[in-house]
Amino acid sequence: AAGVIQSPRHLIKEKRETATLKCYPIPRHDTVYWYQQGPGQDPQFLISFYEKMQSDKGSIPDRFSAQQFSDYHSELNMSSLELGDSALYFCASSDRDRANYGYTFGSGTRLTVV
Amino acid sequence: AQSVSQHNHHVILSEAASLELGCNYSYGGTVNLFWYVQYPGQHLQLLLKYFSGDPLVKGIKGFEAEFIKSKFSFNLRKPSVQWSDTAEYFCAVIAAGGADGLTFGKGTHLIIQP
Repeated sequence: AAGVIQSPRHLIKEKRETATLKCYPIPRHDTVYWYQQGPGQDPQFLISFYEKMQSDKGSIPDRFSAQQFSDYHSELNMSSLELGDSALYFCASSDRDRANYGYTFGSGTRLTVV
Repeated sequence: AQSVSQHNHHVILSEAASLELGCNYSYGGTVNLFWYVQYPGQHLQLLLKYFSGDPLVKGIKGFEAEFIKSKFSFNLRKPSVQWSDTAEYFCAVIAAGGADGLTFGKGTHLIIQP
């Protein structure tokens, strides 16, 4: 079965650079969620989108932005990167009507800022 | 909003030992409960979930969890652990209507010694 696809798997950037992470949800899933997991930390909710509109916002820094496109894929744009942005970034998707049944997570993008 | 508390941050067991990881949640309404596992360097995978019905749910790899409503608990158990169970385990909760999204506990780092 198709899963949530994230790209790239690994990304190394320097401080103050920008990064774009991509997420392709499971087909027919209309909601995408972004989570950030720092080293040894639990996943922290950043932002979510439903039907291409932002639906909920968590602890996403102002330097980050995200959007969901017409094909339901989502991109997380990160600017002015800081060392503390080094983390694993997960995307998850769900069918909004069944969101309370849980999310399916992608394999994540490991971002390292040097 | 809901919250999740996992009692043990680090657990070290020998192979064949029995496992129980504690999870308590806080929320005034009906919730759906999940345990996710994250193997080293990998993404979050769903172990098991509880929506309704039999409070004892069985998941993959021999894991089970029991929902005790009166105690707001959803403890994870396995009768006999294996070295390959070494991983991070996250308890997660979502309100039955999906509001406030999926909230994770801080995680339990389980190490199984051969």
